Amino acid sequence: EIVMTQSPATLSVSPGERATLSCRASQSVGSNLAWYQQTPGQAPRLLIYGASTRATGIPARFSGSGSGTEFTLTISSLQSEDFAVYYCQQYNNWPFIFTFGPGTRLDIK
Amino acid sequence: QLQLQESGPGLVKPSETLSLTCSVSGGSISSSGYLWGWIRQPPGKPLEWIGSIYYSGHTYYNPSLNSRVTLSVDTSKNHFSLQLNSVTAADTAVYYCARLVDGYNFLDCWGQGTQVTVSS
Repeated sequence: EIVMTQSPATLSVSPGERATLSCRASQSVGSNLAWYQQTPGQAPRLLIYGASTRATGIPARFSGSGSGTEFTLTISSLQSEDFAVYYCQQYNNWPFIFTFGPGTRLDIK
Repeated sequence: QLQLQESGPGLVKPSETLSLTCSVSGGSISSSGYLWGWIRQPPGKPLEWIGSIYYSGHTYYNPSLNSRVTLSVDTSKNHFSLQLNSVTAADTAVYYCARLVDGYNFLDCWGQGTQVTVSS
C-alpha cells in the first residue's frame, strides 16, 4: 500500500499571503495525485487532479505541481474562505486501493 | 448540478450491520465514465476508501475491509448502498459517498457525509 504523508500538519498564514503545502508518496505515483479542500462541516471538494489540473470552478490562485513522490499545492493569495483542511490522494494503481494523506490544516495567522 | 446525499442510522450496535444509502440527484447513476464509492473518516484519522461500484454492479473493495463489505446499486432508484458487517467501535466514522472518475479514481463530487457511531 502506498502511504501518503503531508507537511506541515498545521500552517498559519495571513490573508493575502502565499501558502505552500507538501505531500509525499512512499513510492512513485507518477502524476496520479489529487488535492481536496474540506471546511468544517462540509464535504471535501476536489481542487486539483493529475497533480496540476484545476477542477472545474476552482480559482486560479490554486495551483499544483510535482510528480513521482513529491507534490506541492500552492495558494497564491489567501482568501478568508481558503482556511480549511487540505488532503492529497494518490490514485496510481487504479482500479485498486487508493489512499489519502493525513491532511494539512491551514489556519489564519 | 449533481448532488449526493447519504442516509441511514446514526447509531449501530457492535456486531451488527451498518447500512447506508447514497441518493444521487441532478444526474444519472448510469452515466458512463464514472463509478460510485464510499469513503470514511474515523475521528482524528485520515480518509479511508471503502469500496467502489459501477452502475453495472461490478465492485472493488478495500482489501482491509473486503470480507465485511458489500456494495450494491439500484439504477431504478438512482442510488447505491453500503453494508458493513460485524461492526466494532473502530468502524465509528463519518461516512461519505462520492462519484469517482473512471480510469483515474479521483473523486469529483462528494456527499455531505453522515456520522455513524458504533455503540451499545
